[in-house]
Amino acid sequence: QVQLVQSGAEVKNPGSSVKVSCKASGGTFNSYSISWVRQAPGQGLEWMGRIIPILGIPNYAQKFQGTLTITADKSTSTAYMELRSLTSDDTATYYCARDLGMTTGSLGWFDPWGQGTLVTVS
Amino acid sequence: QSVLTQPPSASGTPGQRVTISCSGSSSNIGNNYVFWYQQLPGTAPKLLIYKNNQRPSGVPDRFSGSKSGTSASLAISGLRSEDEADYYCAAWDDSLSGLGFGGGTQLTVL
Repeated sequence: QVQLVQSGAEVKNPGSSVKVSCKASGGTFNSYSISWVRQAPGQGLEWMGRIIPILGIPNYAQKFQGTLTITADKSTSTAYMELRSLTSDDTATYYCARDLGMTTGSLGWFDPWGQGTLVTVS
Repeated sequence: QSVLTQPPSASGTPGQRVTISCSGSSSNIGNNYVFWYQQLPGTAPKLLIYKNNQRPSGVPDRFSGSKSGTSASLAISGLRSEDEADYYCAAWDDSLSGLGFGGGTQLTVL
């Protein structure tokens, strides 16, 4: 049973960058994609982007084009999310999730999720 | 502004049946699968329904999903106190080339 284990909480200054990791424990990513979703305090879920680790091809939500980089290391079954030019609006819990969807129409089938990483920009 | 529209809150008494709606458009719900997630306080979201109406193993059959046109709904029957949580719908949006979530519905069990 694959579990996704994320790196620990971060406190960052405005204008800096943060890099969060997501490691598959008990298995590999296989052919599935990994998405990153964030949740600001008291707010809803926001999809940021995804990557297919075996291909290394990311795609990003329009909002994050230019400030977000998602990468993956197949050899360690670890995905990374780097967000640059941080502002207080980026204070949120960041989740990674494996997407079991294999076609565009079935994307969003997230199981499992990582435990979340709180990033505080202050 | 969320891509999909959900009521911000819903409530019911133990044993009751509650439904949560999720409204979209032809570029998301109308053309792609809908997924539902349950988020208990302080925890990561959990997959509740996939591909419109399928339940993962371990999810009680009290939870059911449906889709018609550009709308979807989640029904919870035999409401229990442990169902008190936030519920989110999600679907891929072809126009945005990205995943859209609903704003979430906070379910209160009275």
